[in-house]
Amino acid sequence: ETGVTQTPRHLVMGMTNKKSLKCEQHLGHNAMYWYKQSAKKPLELMFVYSLEERVENNSVPSRFSPECPNSSHLFLHLHTLQPEDSALYLCASSLTTGDTQYFGPGTRLTVL
Amino acid sequence: GESVGLHLPTLSVQEGDNSIINCAYSNSASDYFIWYKQESGKGPQFIIDIRSNMDKRQGQRVTVLLNKTVKHLSLQIAATQPGDSAVYFCAENTQTGANNLFFGTGTRLTVIP
Repeated sequence: ETGVTQTPRHLVMGMTNKKSLKCEQHLGHNAMYWYKQSAKKPLELMFVYSLEERVENNSVPSRFSPECPNSSHLFLHLHTLQPEDSALYLCASSLTTGDTQYFGPGTRLTVL
Repeated sequence: GESVGLHLPTLSVQEGDNSIINCAYSNSASDYFIWYKQESGKGPQFIIDIRSNMDKRQGQRVTVLLNKTVKHLSLQIAATQPGDSAVYFCAENTQTGANNLFFGTGTRLTVIP
C-alpha cells in the first residue's frame, strides 16, 4: 500500500455516460496528479494540482474535467469519452511538485 | 521536449542472476532520477532514487548507477527473484515547469524460474 487509493478499480462506460474517478491520499502531501497510461506508451501527465490549485494542464480534451476539493482528494470527471480514451488512469501524490511521486493502483477504464 | 528512453523494451533473466536495466536521458539539467517498478494490475511503485551529485546509490538488492557524462542511468537487481518480474520505469526531474518528472516507456523484466 502506498497511501494513495483509487476508486473504482475498473470502469466500463458508454460514450454518452458521465462518470467520475476518485483518488485519495493519506500521506499529507500537497501535490496530486492524474496520469493516463496506454499500452506501450510512456506515462502521460494530464493534470497537476498543488495546494488544491491546478498548476498544469497538458492539453487534455475538455471531456476530462479534474476537481481537487482539498489536498487529500482528487477527482477526474468523465463525459462523452471516446474508445481511444480506454486506458489505465493513475493518480499520484507528492509532498511538493518537485518531489518523488507515489502512485495509486489505477482505474482501468474501458469506453465502449 | 525532453525524452527519457530505455535501451531494451524486454529483458529475460534466470532466477538468481543479476539484472541490469538501462535508461538514457537527454536533459543535462536533470538533477534527480527515480526508478519505479510496476507489477501487473498495480500502479508504479518507488524503488530507489539518486541525485546528480552522486554516481551510485544502493538499496536492498538494488543499485542505481548514474553516468552524467553520457546521460545514462541503470538499475541493477542482485539475485533476481520471480517477484521482480515487472515493468521498470526510469524518470528524470528536469527542474522545469510545475511537474518536472518525465517517464520512459519502461522495460519489462521477466524472471525465468
